[in-house]
Amino acid sequence: SQQGEEDPQALSIQEGENATMNCSYKTSINNLQWYRQNSGRGLVHLILIRSNEREKHSGRLRVTLDTSKKSSSLLITASRAADTASYFCAFPIVFYGKLTFGQGTILTVHP
Amino acid sequence: DVKVTQSSRYLVKRTGEKVFLECVQDMDHENMFWYRQDPGLGLRLIYFSYDVKMKEKGDIPEGYSVSREKKERFSLILESASTNQTSMYLCASSSIVRGYSNQPQHFGDGTRLSIL
Repeated sequence: SQQGEEDPQALSIQEGENATMNCSYKTSINNLQWYRQNSGRGLVHLILIRSNEREKHSGRLRVTLDTSKKSSSLLITASRAADTASYFCAFPIVFYGKLTFGQGTILTVHP
Repeated sequence: DVKVTQSSRYLVKRTGEKVFLECVQDMDHENMFWYRQDPGLGLRLIYFSYDVKMKEKGDIPEGYSVSREKKERFSLILESASTNQTSMYLCASSSIVRGYSNQPQHFGDGTRLSIL
């Protein structure tokens, strides 16, 4: 399958703790993107990291990319209950902006 | 602010009906996409369009068709609805920069479709 694989499938933590989600893929990629989905809503783009970048930060988010291992991780620091959502990695495999999405990690942050 | 609007949040239809799901974006994006999302199966691409009147099959096009007569509007059509098409349907759009997918996709809030 060309889909990305994410682990863990589910993660439950307490407020203030850090949350780390991992994504692995099989093809060569131009970039990798992370999205968030609140329950019953659409996906929201969080961050894009290009293949020539190793690490990128956005607020409490830190994304790493290791193209030699074909893997990426998303770290959310000092988590909040409002971070409770599903998180998906996605990457392009062909022309025209088509993305392949991972299965997602369900993050639950307990207050 | 970027906006993708899906015509209905919830929709209930009967088996055999022809169902139309509408999506409108206000960002002048070239690309538009229809996905369905099911528990345990993630997001699966049904169809996408990279220009007006252009369409490409995604991973699961069977039982669906699409229409893109105007740049801002992309319609998904269930020709004869069946119960296995009960799902969450998500529309998205993105721009093209230098012909490659280095732009994020912007999603609507989804339509939860039930076929009885």
